[in-house]
Amino acid sequence: GAGVSQSPSNKVTEKGKDVELRCDPISGHTALYWYRQSLGQGLEFLIYFQGNSAPDKSGLPSDRFSAERTGGSVSTLTIQRTQQEDSAVYLCASSLTRDSPLHFGNGTRLTVT
Amino acid sequence: AQSVTQPDIHITVSEGASLELRCNYSYGATPYLFWYVQSPGQGLQLLLKYFSGDTLVQGIKGFEAEFKRSQSSFNLRKPSVHWSDAAEYFCAVGAYDSSYKLIFGSGTRLLVRP
Repeated sequence: GAGVSQSPSNKVTEKGKDVELRCDPISGHTALYWYRQSLGQGLEFLIYFQGNSAPDKSGLPSDRFSAERTGGSVSTLTIQRTQQEDSAVYLCASSLTRDSPLHFGNGTRLTVT
Repeated sequence: AQSVTQPDIHITVSEGASLELRCNYSYGATPYLFWYVQSPGQGLQLLLKYFSGDTLVQGIKGFEAEFKRSQSSFNLRKPSVHWSDAAEYFCAVGAYDSSYKLIFGSGTRLLVRP
């Protein structure tokens, strides 16, 4: 596709349920980031994938959060046993190389009730 | 590890007035520096970037930013603001620690008075 695609665009879930958020980066982009943007807050770094290297998971807020990137392309962010404080917009971004400008998706708005 | 600070949460300027948004970073060397804009209901868009060379960089939409090593700053400027510039602006710092990481500031929301 022409840009970074994220799905779903909106997700409402009950507290305690698991959710999966998907990101399709731009084809050929080796770097992929996940960020979280809470209401009125900046972008909080979550995890970073670069090529076949081990991902940088230093931003994941708890062990309920995990992410994988299959075949160097599609990435899935999984949140287990969701809590209300997980409510936010989850943004995915990709770039051609590690220090190229990022191309952002439109995000997934997660609401935990 | 690097960090980035945007000290102004909100800034209001009149249309046609000049604008400066502040960004300060902390890192042991010169990082990669970026400014992104997030317009209402839209995704983030790159305004400009600094990697090396000329410390005054030009971006899209008439924006520019100046890297000042002595002040660890990368302030964004525009000589004359338009109503369509109302948005949230994020400064970002890319640097290598154990791996490369891009960290964003908390953002500055720009309001434009008619």
